[in-house]
Amino acid sequence: GAVVSQHPSWVICKSGTSVKIECRSLDFQATTMFWYRQFPKQSLMLMATSNEGSKATYEQGVEKDKFLINHASLTLSTLTVTSAHPEDSSFYICSATSGVLTEAFFGQGTRLTVV
Amino acid sequence: GESVGLHLPTLSVQEGDNSIINCAYSNSASDYFIWYKQESGKGPQFIIDIRSNMDKRQGQRVTVLLNKTVKHLSLQIAATQPGDSAVYFCAENSGYSTLTFGKGTMLLVSP
Repeated sequence: GAVVSQHPSWVICKSGTSVKIECRSLDFQATTMFWYRQFPKQSLMLMATSNEGSKATYEQGVEKDKFLINHASLTLSTLTVTSAHPEDSSFYICSATSGVLTEAFFGQGTRLTVV
Repeated sequence: GESVGLHLPTLSVQEGDNSIINCAYSNSASDYFIWYKQESGKGPQFIIDIRSNMDKRQGQRVTVLLNKTVKHLSLQIAATQPGDSAVYFCAENSGYSTLTFGKGTMLLVSP
């Protein structure tokens, strides 16, 4: 299957700082990328959907000013957690798809720990 | 529909047994469904998918059954192996490639 690379795989940051997570589709053009958040032993919760070249669509309850999403090209989307706090500590996962009703490919996930 | 955010139910089986993992989906308009396997600390991995015009699809050691009448999806794993131990999620395509995930089931396979 297609490969989606997410970087970094884990990061520890101090409270109040910002962290950027990258999601790249390595062998296909991702028209749409998704960002999820997952707490331990829980399901994936969709945070936002981004289409290349347009603003991301955020799910209800997700602060767009806190979780900045940029999808500047068909192979790269970034999620920036701004002014991170310990409650932002979580597993963040991206996925990418090339069209409607096609399989979404997932990155390896990023474990964010805010101390 | 399913409540996302609750703790995971667990299915424990012996190696060699067949496993059946169930999922209830919420949107009757969903027309594409996927099962994912997620190992600890990793992203979800595609297992098998099915479109709404089908009620059964088979892969290697896995079968997905879809019952649209009751909005139910199941994943059957034949001859379960220790390497199958993971969390399994169903996902429904609720439009424009957006996936809605079920709450997941943790499968524990004992040797």
